Amino acid sequence: SQTIHQWPATLVQPVGSPLSLECTVEGTSNPNLYWYRQAAGRGLQLLFYSVGIGQISSEVPQNLSASRPQDRQFILSSKKLLLSDSGFYLCAWSAPGADYEQYFGPGTRLTVT
Amino acid sequence: GEDVEQSLFLSVREGDSSVINCTYTDSSSTYLYWYKQEPGAGLQLLTYIFSNMDMKQDQRLTVLLNKKDKHLSLRIADTQTGDSAIYFCAEGGVKRGGNKLTFGTGTQLKVEL
Repeated sequence: SQTIHQWPATLVQPVGSPLSLECTVEGTSNPNLYWYRQAAGRGLQLLFYSVGIGQISSEVPQNLSASRPQDRQFILSSKKLLLSDSGFYLCAWSAPGADYEQYFGPGTRLTVT
Repeated sequence: GEDVEQSLFLSVREGDSSVINCTYTDSSSTYLYWYKQEPGAGLQLLTYIFSNMDMKQDQRLTVLLNKKDKHLSLRIADTQTGDSAIYFCAEGGVKRGGNKLTFGTGTQLKVEL
């Protein structure tokens, strides 16, 4: 069966520090991968998606970037965090050919102080 | 652009039925989804419906879709305390590669004894 992991689960970082959040998927090949952010007030916003290694599409211009160095690994990064980057970051995956089913990881709670 | 709206709160008594409503604007949506989020956790895919369907039933869950009015609802029969959570409506479909979901702000369901 497929599983999706995210780490760390929680993170407190000062303003101006770098960020690296990792997402990995097991049990599937060539998944489509997604990063969402859930800010206070509960709405989810799609940040990035990837349909293959090295293929990243950005949905919202911002202080963040994403990379996919391996087939089942998706990384969200920032060089310098802003207060507004605080939120709950969710990674999701879907299988190519069954893209209508999108499954989410447990999330990373980021607090920028 | 795409927009998905939900009411923020719903309170029901244990054993009653819950109906959570959602409206969306994108007429090209291919799939409509319901996700459940428990406190501090990621999103759990509950069910989804293809846009050419009117209804889908899965155990205690019934999804109704009125495509003309762009209205989606989730009915939970015999609501239990374990159903207390935030329920997100989302619309999606493959656009420019990848199934990028647009979420509503979520409906907080509170089940009272």
